[in-house]
Amino acid sequence: KNEVEQSPQNLTAQEGEFITINCSYSVGISALHWLQQHPGGGIVSLFMLSSGKKKHGRLIATINIQEKHSSLHITASHPRDSAVYICAAGDSNYQLIWGAGTKLIIKP
Amino acid sequence: DAGITQSPRHKVTETGTPVTLRCHQTENHRYMYWYRQDPGHGLRLIHYSYGVKDTDKGEVSDGYSVSRSKTEDFLLTLESATSSQTSVYFCAISGQAVGYTFGSGTRLTVV
Repeated sequence: KNEVEQSPQNLTAQEGEFITINCSYSVGISALHWLQQHPGGGIVSLFMLSSGKKKHGRLIATINIQEKHSSLHITASHPRDSAVYICAAGDSNYQLIWGAGTKLIIKP
Repeated sequence: DAGITQSPRHKVTETGTPVTLRCHQTENHRYMYWYRQDPGHGLRLIHYSYGVKDTDKGEVSDGYSVSRSKTEDFLLTLESATSSQTSVYFCAISGQAVGYTFGSGTRLTVV
């Protein structure tokens, strides 16, 4: 069993829909990270969470430490949100345990 | 991101030749990492550094060496490049209580 599990693996939605990507982890973490990678592009860090909820524009990330679960939400999705979204568990040695990623496609 | 730069961005090299990739940061972060990204494998850690002259192996370190003689520079060397090392290489930095910042990547092709 992977230490960091993401779901769904692939997600296709229409522009404007509310998007949720889930991440469950089985390891102890110092923080949970959400990252974004556009096709052929670089990797951008979206959020680093150790508790609660964070919001940046149309993106919201939440974490439940007791349940070892985090979610990334996108409100009013847009085709430019199409990318691979990756969650990664950060350990106390500042290393990341990566999820497999969720490929998101937003259709106009 | 302006705080981290990788060079070169693209490189084609022949099998058996040495190759060095450079990662330079201006953030004064303690931690620096080298990852490779291949289809079907996601990001895999090659080596990382937790300070000047302090480095350790990641999960795919065979065939690679690193050096960090200054806080701002982390070099990845392929002593004798092989076709299996054709990949996209990402450098990343992190510091206490801050997230990760990734370089733009180096696309390396070994022919």
